Formats: sequence, C-alpha cells, structure tokens
Amino acid sequence: AQSVTQPDIHITVSEGASLELRCNYSYGATPYLFWYVQSPGQGLQLLLKYFSGDTLVQGIKGFEAEFKRSQSSFNLRKPSVHWSDAAEYFCAVVRGGSEKLVFGKGTKLTVNP
Amino acid sequence: ETGVTQTPRHLVMGMTNKKSLKCEQHLGHNAMYWYKQSAKKPLELMFVYNFKEQTENNSVPSRFSPECPNSSHLFLHLHTLQPEDSALYLCASSQDGLADSYEQYFGPGTRLTVT
Repeated sequence: AQSVTQPDIHITVSEGASLELRCNYSYGATPYLFWYVQSPGQGLQLLLKYFSGDTLVQGIKGFEAEFKRSQSSFNLRKPSVHWSDAAEYFCAVVRGGSEKLVFGKGTKLTVNP
Repeated sequence: ETGVTQTPRHLVMGMTNKKSLKCEQHLGHNAMYWYKQSAKKPLELMFVYNFKEQTENNSVPSRFSPECPNSSHLFLHLHTLQPEDSALYLCASSQDGLADSYEQYFGPGTRLTVT
C-alpha cells in the first residue's frame, strides 16, 4: 500500500527565512503528488501538484516543490516565509486511476516575527 | 456562494442524538468526498461519490450514513455516535473521480463534538 511520510511534525522559522518541508512517498511507479495547506479553522487548499513533466513545479503563494524520483521525495520550498504562511501543510499522493488521496500526517509551521 | 460550503460549522451532540452534516459544492464537479480529521492522525477518507454513486466506503462504521442526492450535495447522517467520533469532518469535491483530472477542493469543515 502506498504511504506518505512527513518526518517533521512541527517546524519553526523566522519571517523572511527560507523554508523546506519534507515529504517522502512509498510507491513503485510515479504517483501523482500534491501539497495542501490548512490554516486554522479552515479546510485544505491546494498549493501545487505534480503529475508528470518538469520535476520542479510552481504553486500559489510563492511555493514550489521538486519531485526527485531517486529519493521518492516531493519537498516543498519557499525562499522567504511570511507570517501568513503559518499553517499546517499536508503532502498527498494518489495512484493513477485511483480516486484515493493518501495524506501524510502534516507538518505544522510556526513563523516567528 | 462559491467553492465548497459546509453546514453547520460546529456541532455538539449527545451519543443518542441524530444529526446531519451538509456539504454543497458550486463548482460543477461530479465527485464528492467525506474525510475525517482527528488530532495527530492523518486525514482519513470515509466515502467517495462519483456521479451520485458511492464508489468508496473505507470501512466506516454504520453509525455514519452518507447520502448524495445529486452531484452538488452531499450529506453525512449521524446517529448513536461515540466520543471518539469527535473530529473535524471535511467535505471535498473534484471534477470527477479519475486521477487524470485530479484536484480536490475542500470545504471549511464541521467541527463535531460528541458528549
């Protein structure tokens, strides 16, 4: 069964610092990969997705992610974090032809002023 | 209204009550989903409906009963719940249930507390 691992439960960064959130998946073929963000009291919002093609994908709010097949990773990055980025971030994977999104446990991001 | 809406946003119910959660999507999508989000656990898919037909029941207890009268509306009927059912219940929709067009849009959720 496919699974998603987000090794960091909680990350704290200073405003203006760079950010990288880690995501690893276990699945033999290339799955479809997603990053979602959840602000307190809100539902999940899609930041970006990777289906195929260029392994560096750009998303909303200045986020990007890079798919690395050799490492089974899809890490999320942002060069300069804003206080409004404080939220919980979820990596998710779906097997082609399936309806099921499998989510990681999430990484909570705190941004210090 | 735009996107995916859920009502109520908060619900407190006793274990013997019967209540329903409502989800409505204004995106013209054909697939709808119920998820359960508990503290310190991954998001759990509960049900999937594709063109009003249930295509996934992820071993959910029968005290949760979904209903999808049309592609825009999804309900979750609740009865004789347990305290461990307290969680955030999220509804989502997508164009259809196929991964090639896969992008799910989520509602804000209903925070359920079972007393």
